[in-house]
Amino acid sequence: QVQLQELGPGLVRPSETLSLTCTVSGGPVISGESYWTWLRQPPGKGLEWIGNIYYGGSTNYNPSLKSRVTISVDTSRNQFSLTLSSLFAADTAVYYCARDWTRGGSCFDHWGQGTLVTVSS
Amino acid sequence: QSVLTQPPSVSGAPGQRVTISCTGSTSNIGAGYDVHWYQQLPGTAPKLLIYGNNNRPSGVPDRFSGSKSGTSASLAITGLQAGDEADYHCQSYDSSLSGSRVFGGGTKLTVL
Repeated sequence: QVQLQELGPGLVRPSETLSLTCTVSGGPVISGESYWTWLRQPPGKGLEWIGNIYYGGSTNYNPSLKSRVTISVDTSRNQFSLTLSSLFAADTAVYYCARDWTRGGSCFDHWGQGTLVTVSS
Repeated sequence: QSVLTQPPSVSGAPGQRVTISCTGSTSNIGAGYDVHWYQQLPGTAPKLLIYGNNNRPSGVPDRFSGSKSGTSASLAITGLQAGDEADYHCQSYDSSLSGSRVFGGGTKLTVL
């Protein structure tokens, strides 16, 4: 059973850069049927897809965030990471990592528990 | 503003049937891309409920079913239970947004 766990700071100052890491266990990130994904959910609001990465390094990003987002993968540590720059208060959200299962039509079948990131001075 | 449109809330009494709609456009649901549904209990991460329009992952009761027609999809829940009270999110793929996976705004289900 694949499990994911996010790790990162709970509080970040405006204009700074957020860095989050997701550790995958129970299966390799080197998987032909998986895109490794970051999503977020502002308090009281819906889900937003941030972007994903394939184990070979190819990425897709939400056009609304593309200029500020980088997703990378470390196959030796079975981890993938998110950096989001130039933070605003509107970036305050619970950030989730998840597996995008391509054989299921690109659904998110495994999720981390989420980590709350607050952008505030 | 979400790409997919869901009603903000629905409600039903225990034992009843409720449906939640998800309306898209010709660049996502109407283009033939799969629709998936997630259940999010209070304070927890979303859980995959329906994938590929009408498939249930192992462990999801058959009280939950999905359908798709044209540019819309629906989630139906029969035999409503108190434990079904949650937020429900639909998701698809949009070809006009550079590989973006897109969501509805979520629907809060209240069991009366």
